[in-house]
Amino acid sequence: GQNIDQPTEMTATEGAIVQINCTYQTSGFNGLFWYQQHAGEAPTFLSYNVLDGLEEKGRFSSFLSRSKGYSYLLLKELQMKDSASYLCAAGGATNKLIFGTGTLLAVQP
Amino acid sequence: NAGVMQNPRHLVRRRGQEARLRCSPMKGHSHVYWYRQLPEEGLKFMVYLQKENIIDESGMPKERFSAEFPKEGPSILRIQQVVRGDSAAYFCASSERRQTGLGTDTQYFGPGTRLTVL
Repeated sequence: GQNIDQPTEMTATEGAIVQINCTYQTSGFNGLFWYQQHAGEAPTFLSYNVLDGLEEKGRFSSFLSRSKGYSYLLLKELQMKDSASYLCAAGGATNKLIFGTGTLLAVQP
Repeated sequence: NAGVMQNPRHLVRRRGQEARLRCSPMKGHSHVYWYRQLPEEGLKFMVYLQKENIIDESGMPKERFSAEFPKEGPSILRIQQVVRGDSAAYFCASSERRQTGLGTDTQYFGPGTRLTVL
């Protein structure tokens, strides 16, 4: 079957670092995506990992371990505008994305 | 550089009516995907299309739902005889081309159409 698990909610403080974990079990796995979605808006692409390791892009980094079926998104120097849902999605064999339910991150002053 | 366009942004239909949702992909993109997001749930894949071809419709309900991406014009998601359970946000995404070998094409999402069935 297809299963993506991520925490439902997280809270962090402005200026801090937060790590959002995602575990997946999918057939035909072909890479792991992270998207950011503000309420009522479109998901915005953040990162993509297809090989094991860490990808860094400014304040955001993403890690993948294919053998463990595990990924995380790391957000540094948190800002209030980072309050949003963060969606973990596994790429499948036919290019479709299998999404988790998302992690709602609240950044507090 | 315009992103993925969807219209209408909001659509209200009564039970039994038809809903037509339109999606224009990003310039240069020839692959279109439709996803549905129910309240408090994640995005669910519905269908993947190229121009004039349905590549994967494994997420489409068997009845009342259809999708097309003609040679000219936007992709259309059509829902016939809508029911209250069809109320959701429908997102379209597009990608540049089908990757060969390892990897999945990055998909860029439009703003969505919020369908409300009364």
